Amino acid sequence: GESVGLHLPTLSVQEGDNSIINCAYSNSASDYFIWYKQESGKGPQFIIDIRSNMDKRQGQRVTVLLNKTVKHLSLQIAATQPGDSAVYFCAESRSSNTGKLIFGQGTTLQVKP
Amino acid sequence: NAGVTQTPKFRILKIGQSMTLQCTQDMNHNYMYWYRQDPGMGLKLIYYSVGAGITDKGEVPNGYNVSRSTTEDFPLRLELAAPSQTSVYFCASKRLAGGGVVAYEQYFGPGTRLTVT
Repeated sequence: GESVGLHLPTLSVQEGDNSIINCAYSNSASDYFIWYKQESGKGPQFIIDIRSNMDKRQGQRVTVLLNKTVKHLSLQIAATQPGDSAVYFCAESRSSNTGKLIFGQGTTLQVKP
Repeated sequence: NAGVTQTPKFRILKIGQSMTLQCTQDMNHNYMYWYRQDPGMGLKLIYYSVGAGITDKGEVPNGYNVSRSTTEDFPLRLELAAPSQTSVYFCASKRLAGGGVVAYEQYFGPGTRLTVT
């Protein structure tokens, strides 16, 4: 069936290193992808998004890469900081009319000082 | 702007009781959504609304009802609470895309933690 999933449940990195969080999706009809960060006890917070007609988009310390050939999405965080410790979710949208998102299970990022 | 606000923050229900989770947004967003998040899992869509007076089912609507009488408010109703409805509930809103923008991000509230025993 269709799904959005993440390759690893937990990622542990050293402070200052770069982090890469991966996500696989199964529906080639998806036209919008988004990354959220969720800290403990809080709601998801928008990080960055990308449309299907792009393969890369950069924000402040974050980059999202989209590979439609293998249906793969990644989030790169540069110079990871302790404040980046959280659960990261990717989500895809298959209907721009409703804006409905389908979320993956999430990857926990642990930043070691 | 307060953004998306949800009340209550926590609630414990007995099996069979009913309650309404409140959600309000002050950003004049057309779209609103209700999700549930079970421990260690991603979010699953319960119901959504593309505007006042219009609602539709999401992935997991059974046991829930919604209404959208105003742009600002999107309450979620649990009629007969069951232990399977123990979860954290998030409300979100989104502005209408247009002007060359295909989509905008959803803004989430802080969540309501519900326990049914």
